[in-house]
Amino acid sequence: EDQVTQSPEALRLQEGESSSLNCSYTVSGLRGLFWYRQDPGKGPEFLFTLYSAGEEKEKERLKATLTKKESFLHITAPKPEDSATYLCAVQAKGQGGKLIFGQGTELSVKP
Amino acid sequence: DAGVIQSPRHEVTEMGQEVTLRCKPISGHDYLFWYRQTMMRGLELLIYFNNNVPIDDSGMPEDRFSAKMPNASFSTLKIQPSEPRDSAVYFCASSGSSGGEYNEQFFGPGTRLTVL
Repeated sequence: EDQVTQSPEALRLQEGESSSLNCSYTVSGLRGLFWYRQDPGKGPEFLFTLYSAGEEKEKERLKATLTKKESFLHITAPKPEDSATYLCAVQAKGQGGKLIFGQGTELSVKP
Repeated sequence: DAGVIQSPRHEVTEMGQEVTLRCKPISGHDYLFWYRQTMMRGLELLIYFNNNVPIDDSGMPEDRFSAKMPNASFSTLKIQPSEPRDSAVYFCASSGSSGGEYNEQFFGPGTRLTVL
């Protein structure tokens, strides 16, 4: 069964304190791994898609990496506006456009 | 672009009543997805359409739930009769495709449903 597990469930950082969020996945054949950001009361907002092990993508203070079993979302020198829930999702080959989401990591960055 | 539009944003109803949620996808997108989000189960796919045709409805919890997409710019998710356990935030998302590949999904703001 395809499965996505994110850790930690919640993470509190001080402004400027870099850290990483983890997304472990089990899928029969990975087509793509997606990272989304979700602010309270809003829909998920697309951040990155990773397709193969070794791939990396960056956007401002965020960098996403991918291995054959997990993905990391590295946050460098975070700011309070980075506070949100970060969701990871996988898309399996042969499953059409279906995404399987993890439970998310709730990030709080204090000034 | 206006993004994915959902209505209503909030819905409060009583058990047994019919509820209809509406979605307008981004123009030009050929995939439309309905998700449900709860604290216990997270974000779950209910059903998705490709070119207005339902492709996978295996996530629809039971016969009380139905979804339609009469044209490329409109979809509905209906719950009849509604039950308190249906209380959740329902999201609609759309995506395009190119060369047979699926692109990222763009989510609407969601409808928060409360069934009393």
